[in-house]
Amino acid sequence: AQKVTQAQTEISVVEKEDVTLDCVYETRDTTYYLFWYKQPPSGELVFLIRRNSFDEQNEISGRYSWNFQKSTSSFNFTITASQVVDSAVYFCALSEAFGNEKLTFGTGTRLTIIP
Amino acid sequence: ETGVTQSPTHLIKTRGQQVTLRCSSQSGHNTVSWYQQALGQGPQFIFQYYREEENGRGNFPPRFSGLQFPNYSSELNVNALELDDSALYLCASSLSGSPGELFFGEGSRLTVL
Repeated sequence: AQKVTQAQTEISVVEKEDVTLDCVYETRDTTYYLFWYKQPPSGELVFLIRRNSFDEQNEISGRYSWNFQKSTSSFNFTITASQVVDSAVYFCALSEAFGNEKLTFGTGTRLTIIP
Repeated sequence: ETGVTQSPTHLIKTRGQQVTLRCSSQSGHNTVSWYQQALGQGPQFIFQYYREEENGRGNFPPRFSGLQFPNYSSELNVNALELDDSALYLCASSLSGSPGELFFGEGSRLTVL
């Protein structure tokens, strides 16, 4: 069975600080995908990134970066120079690489950026 | 905006009733998934439809059923509503070949009294 754990329920930081959201996953699959989604107050989840289990390269996109470490089953997300617009609930998710696109989500981390 | 629209946005039902939730996919997307998100929790996969056929189901009882139409829009039906069915129901569309890149609607918030 697949499982995603986001141990940080809520995080608050002052604007312009860096913040890291932790994600630990469990799966028996050798090939899988990892994701991060953002859920603003309006409710719709917004796709941020997909990472294939074969690709352990870290990725940077603007102020966002992701650190994938297969050895520790972690896929952490860092926001640099946080902004008020980053306030949202962030979900880490996992899916098998083949078959349907069922995503297993963590319970989310509510991030509040204080102006 | 994702181009995925859901209706109704809010509704209140009583225990034992039936509800139908609707979803219009983003243009060109042939796959639709439904998720249930209880308050303070992550979304839970209900089922997925690909070209009008169910293509995977999560751990939900048969009273949760769905349809996908030729234009790829979709419905989620829940019979014999229970109090625990109160949640945000999220529809997501996607294109086969882009695994897990889901485009979500804003959801239908169902309250069961």
